[in-house]
Amino acid sequence: GENVEQHPSTLSVQEGDSAVIKCTYSDSASNYFPWYKQELGKRPQLIIDIRSNVGEKKDQRIAVTLNKTAKHFSLHITETQPEDSAVYFCAARQHNAGNMLTFGGGTRLMVKP
Amino acid sequence: SQTIHQWPATLVQPVGSPLSLECTVEGTSNPNLYWYRQAAGRGLQLLFYSVGIGQISSEVPQNLSASRPQDRQFILSSKKLLLSDSGFYLCAWRGYYGYTFGSGTRLTVV
Repeated sequence: GENVEQHPSTLSVQEGDSAVIKCTYSDSASNYFPWYKQELGKRPQLIIDIRSNVGEKKDQRIAVTLNKTAKHFSLHITETQPEDSAVYFCAARQHNAGNMLTFGGGTRLMVKP
Repeated sequence: SQTIHQWPATLVQPVGSPLSLECTVEGTSNPNLYWYRQAAGRGLQLLFYSVGIGQISSEVPQNLSASRPQDRQFILSSKKLLLSDSGFYLCAWRGYYGYTFGSGTRLTVV
């Protein structure tokens, strides 16, 4: 099955700085890579995703890059704000009948004002 | 529009008691449905998924079971809860724009 590793587990940045979270996956057949933001006590919310036929995708201050050869993908947040503080999860979707997501362990991002 | 409902929001149950968590989806047909569990401060672990009525696949051996009696209904159950069953349970469905999670059930087994 798929295995997703996520680093770092915690990340503290100053407001306005950039934050980068990295993930690796094991199954080369995985074809969809979403990122979720989870605020304390709430459900994970999809913030951006990328499919295996694309190398980079950007949405305002958030961007995701994918390197299929190396089997890793990253989330980049620029000009961080205190409201970006949350736990972020990467995931990889297996290309099988269930199409289930395998999640990384999460990164707790803290943006200091 | 598609929506996903999950209840109850919180639950405190004694060890050895039964469990039933329900998830329903509206606005779509034949969705892929998933149950995830999140222990405190941890990641999301896939427990079960279902691609159709009566079709359940289990990802990890455990004290829980799942059922899909109707196309848009997914139920997580246990006959006898353990302390280790405590956690945040999330139902999810796979839509065109990705996976959407329900609001979650925080289960505390005491």
